[in-house]
Amino acid sequence: AQSVTQPDIHITVSEGASLELRCNYSYGATPYLFWYVQSPGQGLQLLLKYFSGDTLVQGIKGFEAEFKRSQSSFNLRKPSVHWSDAAEYFCAVVTFGNEKLTFGTGTRLTIIP
Amino acid sequence: DVKVTQSSRYLVKRTGEKVFLECVQDMDHENMFWYRQDPGLGLRLIYFSYDVKMKEKGDIPEGYSVSREKKERFSLILESASTNQTSMYLCASSFGGEGSYNEQFFGPGTRLTVL
Repeated sequence: AQSVTQPDIHITVSEGASLELRCNYSYGATPYLFWYVQSPGQGLQLLLKYFSGDTLVQGIKGFEAEFKRSQSSFNLRKPSVHWSDAAEYFCAVVTFGNEKLTFGTGTRLTIIP
Repeated sequence: DVKVTQSSRYLVKRTGEKVFLECVQDMDHENMFWYRQDPGLGLRLIYFSYDVKMKEKGDIPEGYSVSREKKERFSLILESASTNQTSMYLCASSFGGEGSYNEQFFGPGTRLTVL
């Protein structure tokens, strides 16, 4: 069965600093990969997705993610975080023949001035 | 803009009550989903539907049922609420039907407390 691991439960970053959130998946073939963000009191919003092609994917709000097949990873990055980026971030995967999204347990991001 | 709305943001019910959570989407999406979100567990799929009157079990269907009588509406039913069903419930929708892998759009969630 497919699974997604987000090893960092909580990350604190200074405003203006760079950010990397880790995501690893477990599946034999190439999955479809997503990053969602959940602001406090809100539903989830899609940041970016990877289906095929260029392994560096650009998303909204200045985020990007890189698919690395050899490491089974899809880490999310942002060069300079803003206070409004404080939220919970979820990595998710769906695989061919199993259209259900499987989510990681999430990483809560705190931004300090 | 795609809009997914859920009938209540907060709900408090008593053990044993029958609970209905309603979800409506306005983008003519074929697929609709119900998740529950718990700290440390992420989102877990309860039920989903590819079309009107169709339903499929997700990963944690026990204690829940669903109804989809109209394309835009997907209801989650707790037949007899229990305290371990206290959670945040999120509804989502996507276009494409069975076999599609399109972006899911989420509602704001319903925080249900069962006393």
